[in-house]
Amino acid sequence: QVQLQESGPGLVKPSETLSLTCAVSGYSISSGYYWGWIRQPPGKGLEWIGSIYHSGSTYYNPSLKSRVTISVDTSKNQFSLKLSSVTAADTAVYYCARSPYGPPFDPWGQGTLVTVSS
Amino acid sequence: SSELTQDPAVSVALGQTVRITCQGDSLRSYYASWYQQKPGQAPVLVIYGKNNRPSGIPDRFSGSSSGNTASLTITGAQAEDEADYYCNSRDSSGNHLIFGTGTKVTVL
Repeated sequence: QVQLQESGPGLVKPSETLSLTCAVSGYSISSGYYWGWIRQPPGKGLEWIGSIYHSGSTYYNPSLKSRVTISVDTSKNQFSLKLSSVTAADTAVYYCARSPYGPPFDPWGQGTLVTVSS
Repeated sequence: SSELTQDPAVSVALGQTVRITCQGDSLRSYYASWYQQKPGQAPVLVIYGKNNRPSGIPDRFSGSSSGNTASLTITGAQAEDEADYYCNSRDSSGNHLIFGTGTKVTVL
């Protein structure tokens, strides 16, 4: 059974870079699928951030593209998110999930709350 | 457009049927997927494609689509179906992914 687990700092200062990792178990990233990041500000809806294929091919939400980098490490079976120049508006629960090229996302990680504050 | 619009909230009596809709121009070209999210939990996929349910999802959940509107129907709603529901699809360009605004379902 495929499982995903997000990890990373829970607190990031404004203007700094948010960095998260998603460890995948029960499935080899190299076997296929896209691997994506989705976030949810407290009390608000879901927002797709971007996705990556095991080859390293990426596609990003246009509204975040200038600040986002998603990378993959097939040797560790994990993928990562970097979001630069963060502000309080980037405070959210960040989820990682698996998908084909496009929807649906399944399964999801449990999510990790990242707060942007000085 | 690159938006998927959902009604903010709907309510349904226990055992009755409720339909949740998702509207957007891209839905004329692409199917919607649907997720259930309970408080403090990650979203769970309930419907994808034309009308497909992942393993473990009860058959009271079904999906349909017409024109620019996708629908998720819960037939015989149960207390455990009380949750937020989100649709998800591609945007009109087909190159990016978008989520609906979400619908809170209350089971009375």
